Amino acid sequence: GENVEQHPSTLSVQEGDSAVIKCTYSDSASNYFPWYKQELGKRPQLIIDIRSNVGEKKDQRIAVTLNKTAKHFSLHITETQPEDSAVYFCAASSYSGAGSYQLTFGKGTKLSVIP
Amino acid sequence: SAVISQKPSRDICQRGTSLTIQCQVDSQVTMMFWYRQQPGQSLTLIATANQGSEATYESGFVIDKFPISRPNLTFSTLTVSNMSPEDSSIYLCSTRDPKDNEQFFGPGTRLTVL
Repeated sequence: GENVEQHPSTLSVQEGDSAVIKCTYSDSASNYFPWYKQELGKRPQLIIDIRSNVGEKKDQRIAVTLNKTAKHFSLHITETQPEDSAVYFCAASSYSGAGSYQLTFGKGTKLSVIP
Repeated sequence: SAVISQKPSRDICQRGTSLTIQCQVDSQVTMMFWYRQQPGQSLTLIATANQGSEATYESGFVIDKFPISRPNLTFSTLTVSNMSPEDSSIYLCSTRDPKDNEQFFGPGTRLTVL
């Protein structure tokens, strides 16, 4: 099955600096890579995703890059703000049989933005 | 995206009892998923609930412990049976949009077993 590794597990940055979270996956057939933000006590929220036919995607201060050859993808947050503080999860979607796909999640990165 | 609600939002239960968690979606969805998130941990898929067929369980999860119902395309339940303190966790319902594969989560049910 798919295996997703996520680094770092914790990350502290100064407000205004950039933050980068990296993930690797094992199944070369995985084709969809979402990122979720989970604030304390809240549900995971989809913030950006990328598909295997695209190398980079950007949405305002958030960008995601994908290297299919190396099987890794990264989340980049620029001009960080205190409200970016949360746990971020990467995931990879792989075929699980009988026409079904399932998400495998990384272990999460706790991002703290220091004012 | 679909609006997903769960009931109860939280509960405190005694060891040996069972709790049924309900998940309601505001639109018809083919696939619904149940996840567990233990304190400070990532999300682990328990099972996929398909309407009209048996749920598909992931390794480490069995139907006797986590029976699932899916009576229609907008509703599902997950029962946590014969609970022990190790079952204390957040249980999340999730659906996927088949058009673009985007997956969304319900607000979760925080379960504490004493």
